[in-house]
Amino acid sequence: RKEVEQDPGPFNVPEGATVAFNCTYSNSASQSFFWYRQDCRKEPKLLMSVYSSGNEDGRFTAQLNRASQYISLLIRDSKLSDSATYLCVVNILTGGGNKLTFGTGTQLKVEL
Amino acid sequence: DGGITQSPKYLFRKEGQNVTLSCEQNLNHDAMYWYRQDPGQGLRLIYYSQIVNDFQKGDIAEGYSVSREKKESFPLTVTSAQKNPTAFYLCATRTGYSYEQYFGPGTRLTVT
Repeated sequence: RKEVEQDPGPFNVPEGATVAFNCTYSNSASQSFFWYRQDCRKEPKLLMSVYSSGNEDGRFTAQLNRASQYISLLIRDSKLSDSATYLCVVNILTGGGNKLTFGTGTQLKVEL
Repeated sequence: DGGITQSPKYLFRKEGQNVTLSCEQNLNHDAMYWYRQDPGQGLRLIYYSQIVNDFQKGDIAEGYSVSREKKESFPLTVTSAQKNPTAFYLCATRTGYSYEQYFGPGTRLTVT
């Protein structure tokens, strides 16, 4: 089983739609959680951290369910510019320090 | 301008040659990381360094070497021992106060 699993998509949605991505992680010792956005052939950029109580940043809402070991990202009122790959990232504290484990990403295509 | 720079953006080499990828940061971040990204795979950790003159192997260190002589710089050498060196190489940094990592623009290495 992969440490971090995501549905690769693509999710093709019309502009203005609401779309949700889920991500599951296998290591119960995972401490911190993030969503990164990666545009085609570019570097990943931090979209938002995910807090236990859930958090919102504009049209984006992230949720964490530690009991079920999954993280979600909700995007409301999708824009064409939201088209990208969204990476679920989990931080684990190991003997060698903090380690980020990356999912393979979920591709989103927002269409007119 | 604060940030992380990686050079060059594209690099082409013949099989059997060693090649060094540059990563420089002026963010005053303590920790630096090297990842590689292959199509359809998540980012995989090659090496990381939490302080100057110290570094640890990541999950796929074989065929790579690094140095950390200055806080600002963390070069990665891809040696001829690396069996599949063609990939997108990403350098990242992290402050000592949080777990988020910030990425440079990456170097696309092609070895033929």
